[in-house]
Order: sequence, then C-alpha cells, then structure tokens
Amino acid sequence: EDQVTQSPEALRLQEGESSSLNCSYTVSGLRGLFWYRQDPGKGPEFLFTLYSAGEEKEKERLKATLTKKESFLHITAPKPEDSATYLCAETNQAGTALIFGKGTTLSVSS
Amino acid sequence: DAGVTQSPTHLIKTRGQHVTLRCSPISGHKSVSWYQQVLGQGPQFIFQYYEKEERGRGNFPDRFSARQFPNYSSELNVNALLLGDSALYLCASTTGGLNYGYTFGSGTRLTVV
Repeated sequence: EDQVTQSPEALRLQEGESSSLNCSYTVSGLRGLFWYRQDPGKGPEFLFTLYSAGEEKEKERLKATLTKKESFLHITAPKPEDSATYLCAETNQAGTALIFGKGTTLSVSS
Repeated sequence: DAGVTQSPTHLIKTRGQHVTLRCSPISGHKSVSWYQQVLGQGPQFIFQYYEKEERGRGNFPDRFSARQFPNYSSELNVNALLLGDSALYLCASTTGGLNYGYTFGSGTRLTVV
C-alpha cells in the first residue's frame, strides 16, 4: 500500500534556528513529490513539486530536496510567520490522487 | 484571479441528514478533486473528476458521491451523515494531470451532531 510518512510530528524552533523536515514515500516509479503548507482552518498552499532524485527547489527560506526514498524540507533561519503544518504528498500509482502524510507542525518562536 | 472557491465555509448537520458541498475551480482548470481532512491528519482522497468524468475514487463508502458540471464546477454529496463524517472537506483543481500541481480551496468545515 502506498504510504507517506513524515517526521517529526511536531517541531519547535527558535527564530533563526535552522532545521529539516523529513518525508519518506513508498510509491515505486515516483510521479511527483509535493510539499504544501497549511495554516489552521485553511486549505493547503502549494510550495514545491519534485520529480526526480537529486532535484532541489527553493523559495525564500525553504528548500526542498529529493532522494530515491525521501524528501527533505530545509528551513533556514526561520521566522515566526513560518509557523504552520507542512504536508508532504506523493502521486498514487494510478496518477489520480495525492497521498498525504500526517504533516509536521512547525512552531517558531521569537 | 479567483482561486478555488468552496461553499459553504461552515456547516452543522444532524446524524442521518444529507449534505451538498460545492466547489468552483480556477478558471481554465478542468480537473477537480475532493479530499477529507480529519483533525490532526493529512487530507485523504475521495474523488477526482476530469472533463465531467470520474477518474479516481478513494476508499470511501457509497454514501459519498460527486459530480462535475459542464462549467467544471463540482458538488460533493454525502448521505446518511455519521458523526465520523465531521471534517474539513477540501476541493482542489488543476489544469490536467497531477504533475501540474493542485490548488486547494479553503475548505468546508462540516460538523455532524
């Protein structure tokens, strides 16, 4: 069964303290690995799509990387406004749906 | 440009009732998908529609149904509501295949009492 596992479940950082979030996936023949940000009571906001091992994408303080079995979301010098739940998802084998992990809830304090 | 719009934003229903949720995709997007998100979990896939045809269905009971209209808007219907149906229902649209990325709406918060 296709599965996406994210770790840690929760992460508390001080402002400026860099860290990484992990996403492990199991779909063979990856068709796409997605990162989303979700604020409380809102829908997920698209951040990145990665397609092949070795690929990297950046947006402001966020950088997403992909290996054959994992993806990492690196957060450099985070600010309180980066506090949110970060969701990782992969495309299912049929290409009809996203399979989401449970997310990592990030809290950044000043 | 307007994003994905969903209505209503909040809804309270009684067990056994029926509910209809609505979604308007981004202009030009022909594919709409529905997801259910229970508190503390990631979104779970319910349906995908493309050009008014069902292209995918998740592991949900037959009480859940959906359709897409000629203008690409969509409805999600849930019959015989259970307490466990309480969740945030998300609609997402895309131009075509999943590899183009999905844009999500803000969701409908359904509470079943």
